[in-house]
Amino acid sequence: KAGVTQTPRYLIKTRGQQVTLSCSPISGHRSVSWYQQTPGQGLQFLFEYFSETQRNKGNFPGRFSGRQFSNSRSEMNVSTLELGDSALYLCASSPGTGYNSPLHFGNGTRLTVT
Amino acid sequence: GESVGLHLPTLSVQEGDNSIINCAYSNSASDYFIWYKQESGKGPQFIIDIRSNMDKRQGQRVTVLLNKTVKHLSLQIAATQPGDSAVYFCAESGATNKLIFGTGTLLAVQP
Repeated sequence: KAGVTQTPRYLIKTRGQQVTLSCSPISGHRSVSWYQQTPGQGLQFLFEYFSETQRNKGNFPGRFSGRQFSNSRSEMNVSTLELGDSALYLCASSPGTGYNSPLHFGNGTRLTVT
Repeated sequence: GESVGLHLPTLSVQEGDNSIINCAYSNSASDYFIWYKQESGKGPQFIIDIRSNMDKRQGQRVTVLLNKTVKHLSLQIAATQPGDSAVYFCAESGATNKLIFGTGTLLAVQP
């Protein structure tokens, strides 16, 4: 079975721009979660989607948004980029929601904002 | 490679020794706990999990211990190998219905 796939692998953007990141979960997994990883803050939960519905959201500003499609693929969008948005963005999938089974992570998208 | 943490606690062990990585969790209502391993340039990889109705769980070369009284989780790695060098994260979930990660520990295996 293929793992979680995230594209692109690297992105460089300028302050004020917007960016869209893509995630394809493991086949059969219906839950997709997004995390931001930085050296200072570690892994911070962004949001979780299950069956195209946002089930949970972390403490991030409204500039961070996401969606999930009927095939469980997910995208996250960050608008009006700030320097502090530079991070590794990780997507993870699991068969169901509720966080009582392991999340399976992709290798992330490294976003650099200049 | 890409750094996942510049100021992480570091555990340095000799190849062949046993490693113990500790984690203090915050929420007494958490009922599910996971250990992940993250190598440079990669996403976190699942190692082992444990539910709150258990105190100990063993996998291949790894053991997780849970002490709910003091809200403490540990990961024991037997016969540590150079390939075990990575950052290790504990994570908890429960009433908040979110998987919350700890800050991570860098395991450095000396040959």
